[in-house]
Amino acid sequence: DAGVIQSPRHEVTEMGQEVTLRCKPISGHDYLFWYRQTMMRGLELLIYFNNNVPIDDSGMPEDRFSAKMPNASFSTLKIQPSEPRDSAVYFCASSLWDSSYNEQFFGPGTRLTVL
Amino acid sequence: GESVGLHLPTLSVQEGDNSIINCAYSNSASDYFIWYKQESGKGPQFIIDIRSNMDKRQGQRVTVLLNKTVKHLSLQIAATQPGDSAVYFCAERGGSNYKLTFGKGTLLTVNP
Repeated sequence: DAGVIQSPRHEVTEMGQEVTLRCKPISGHDYLFWYRQTMMRGLELLIYFNNNVPIDDSGMPEDRFSAKMPNASFSTLKIQPSEPRDSAVYFCASSLWDSSYNEQFFGPGTRLTVL
Repeated sequence: GESVGLHLPTLSVQEGDNSIINCAYSNSASDYFIWYKQESGKGPQFIIDIRSNMDKRQGQRVTVLLNKTVKHLSLQIAATQPGDSAVYFCAERGGSNYKLTFGKGTLLTVNP
């Protein structure tokens, strides 16, 4: 398996522009997570999905952020409009439900820079 | 104003020594814990996990210890190698909530 795939790996954009980050989870996994990592705040959970349905979006910072999962093999995280404080590394992770264990497999991340 | 970065705890060891990385968690209802390793420019990578009904679990060169009384988790790395240099995160799952909460991380540097 190729693991979790994220694109683009790097994104540089100007303030006010729309940014779309993409994720392909590991095939067969039923949970998908979006995280943001910064030096200031560490690794933060933004939102997670179970079977393509958003379960908890309490970590989404504000209405400028939105996430979708139209099918089991694809998810997007959109920022509109983007701001310099959104600059961070955004990770997608996926996992397969198990009552005992909960290993999440992370993608390589998208490094976003908003100028 | 001036921004203040996240000051990670750091641990510096000599190659071949054993390393111990500590983590305190806050939720007494947490039932599952994971250690992740993150190398520069990469996503976190699973190392080892432990359920709350255990107090020790061993993997290859790594051991995780769980002390629920004081809500403390530790990761022991035997015969530390330069390739072990990375940031190590502990994460906990709080009861019925499926999401993980990550700690701030510890930077491990292995000196040759």
